[in-house]
Amino acid sequence: DAGVIQSPRHEVTEMGQEVTLRCKPISGHNSLFWYRQTMMRGLELLIYFNNNVPIDDSGMPEDRFSAKMPNASFSTLKIQPSEPRDSAVYFCASNVGTSGNIQYFGAGTRLSVL
Amino acid sequence: KNEVEQSPQNLTAQEGEFITINCSYSVGISALHWLQQHPGGGIVSLFMLSSGKKKHGRLIATINIQEKHSSLHITASHPRDSAVYICAVGGGADGLTFGKGTHLIIQP
Repeated sequence: DAGVIQSPRHEVTEMGQEVTLRCKPISGHNSLFWYRQTMMRGLELLIYFNNNVPIDDSGMPEDRFSAKMPNASFSTLKIQPSEPRDSAVYFCASNVGTSGNIQYFGAGTRLSVL
Repeated sequence: KNEVEQSPQNLTAQEGEFITINCSYSVGISALHWLQQHPGGGIVSLFMLSSGKKKHGRLIATINIQEKHSSLHITASHPRDSAVYICAVGGGADGLTFGKGTHLIIQP
């Protein structure tokens, strides 16, 4: 298996633009996680899906952030409008079962909002 | 919300030394994870623990549920072990809460 696939790997955009990050989980995994990593705050959970249903979105910073999982093999994280403080590395991870089980991480998307 | 504290924040050691990284948390959990993040940025899950001890190669992870504490040990450390080691706790419907990480440098 190719592992968790994220795209793009790098994204540079201007403040106010819409940004869409994409994730393909490992086939057969039924949980998917979106994380954000910054120097100041480290890794933070943004949202967690189980069987395509959002279970915990308490980490989503504000209404500018939205995430969808239309099917078991694809998820998106959208920021609209983007702001410079959204600059971070965004990781997607997947696993079988709950967040307590081993998670497999994608390579991350490095987002820079100018 | 669980508070996760790691120590030390930074650690530099010589090749061959025995390394210990500590993690404590404030609220009872169903699982604790140790993750490794290499300089290139990729994150790899090393261990998932709910009790006792696990060993994988030169890595050993222990957890004391009563004391809400876990340790990650590296025996015979090597420069390729240089990375950031991150402790995370949680499980069930709550997602994971992460420590700030320990930056480890092993010098030849």
